[in-house]
Amino acid sequence: GAVVSQHPSRVICKSGTSVKIECRSLDFQATTMFWYRQFPKQSLMLMATSNEGSKATYEQGVEKDKFLINHASLTLSTLTVTSAHPEDSSFYICSAPMWRGNNEQFFGPGTRLTVL
Amino acid sequence: GENVEQHPSTLSVQEGDSAVIKCTYSDSASNYFPWYKQELGKGPQLIIDIRSNVGEKKDQRIAVTLNKTAKHFSLHITETQPEDSAVYFCAASVSAGNQFYFGTGTSLTVIP
Repeated sequence: GAVVSQHPSRVICKSGTSVKIECRSLDFQATTMFWYRQFPKQSLMLMATSNEGSKATYEQGVEKDKFLINHASLTLSTLTVTSAHPEDSSFYICSAPMWRGNNEQFFGPGTRLTVL
Repeated sequence: GENVEQHPSTLSVQEGDSAVIKCTYSDSASNYFPWYKQELGKGPQLIIDIRSNVGEKKDQRIAVTLNKTAKHFSLHITETQPEDSAVYFCAASVSAGNQFYFGTGTSLTVIP
């Protein structure tokens, strides 16, 4: 079946540094990908919609300069957390819809970010 | 925007019993309602979904019902097993290809 991968699976960084998270659709093309954030024991909150060939669409309250999204190709979207702080520590999950068959959306395995 | 509420937040059942999780949504434009199972430290996995043109869908021990008039949908797991223990999320969207709005999650524990 279709698979969405994320890299890295977990990352620990120092406060003030930037971290890049990759989301790849492995056997299908995705013109759109979604980025979610999940705090411990909480739900997934949509951060932004990544669009191939155009700017990302951010949800209200999400700082676009803080969370840079680049949809580099039809199979890759990246989320860069710039000047990370401890409050950015979270589980980041991407998803990608596949427009064939039953039109299902597939989620990545998530990236655990810890900012010291 | 869409607001999805989910109940209960925690649920414990004896192995072999049934579990029911309920969700309500606010946006009448929503037409796609998936249910996801999430294990600790992993991404969500789709377990069943339903579209607005049907009222019920079943896949072995799992079933979902949808009442569009009342704007609520439910997940039913029968003959629960310990490996069903996880956090379950409902979601609503205008389609499978659009952004999802998730419920708050239900932590299900199946007691052997």
